[in-house]
Amino acid sequence: DARVTQTPRHKVTEMGQEVTMRCQPILGHNTVFWYRQTMMQGLELLAYFRNRAPLDDSGMPKDRFSAEMPDATLATLKIQPSEPRDSAVYFCASGLVAGGLYEQYFGPGTRLTVT
Amino acid sequence: KNEVEQSPQNLTAQEGEFITINCSYSVGISALHWLQQHPGGGIVSLFMLSSGKKKHGRLIATINIQEKHSSLHITASHPRDSAVYICAVRFETSGSRLTFGEGTQLTVNP
Repeated sequence: DARVTQTPRHKVTEMGQEVTMRCQPILGHNTVFWYRQTMMQGLELLAYFRNRAPLDDSGMPKDRFSAEMPDATLATLKIQPSEPRDSAVYFCASGLVAGGLYEQYFGPGTRLTVT
Repeated sequence: KNEVEQSPQNLTAQEGEFITINCSYSVGISALHWLQQHPGGGIVSLFMLSSGKKKHGRLIATINIQEKHSSLHITASHPRDSAVYICAVRFETSGSRLTFGEGTQLTVNP
């Protein structure tokens, strides 16, 4: 049963600390998405990659956030330095894009609390 | 402006009732997704549509491209259907980016 995995599931950290969230997409999927969900903003796209190359990171605060795909099996989202307003649930999703329609499969999310 | 609006925001029903959740969007789309998020937080994709109608069990999703509107129907609702239902749209001009509605909190009482 292929699924997207994310680690850690929960993270509590102090303001100013670096946070790294990891995502393992479903094997064979060529597109990886990072989303953030807050009570105020709902779900919003931060960035996505196709074949490990960043295609759109316009939703991501560039000064403190960075997203990478070191290889096809790992995507990372880093926040440095973290701030209380970064507290949210961060979802990774993956999909196989080969034309018009494609499904996105969501991971369980990382719940981040910055105090 | 690329916008997605859902209604209602909150919906309470009795078990067995027929439920409809609506989604409207502003401009042309490549695809529309209906997602389900349970209290535990996990998100599951229910449907992906670009035209017509899809059915899976007690769930039916329809889309009217001309009217820029989609509906999610649940027949014979059950307490386990209680969740947040989210409409997400891929606009024609936005590549693979999804724009999300605010979600509809559905509670089905026994």
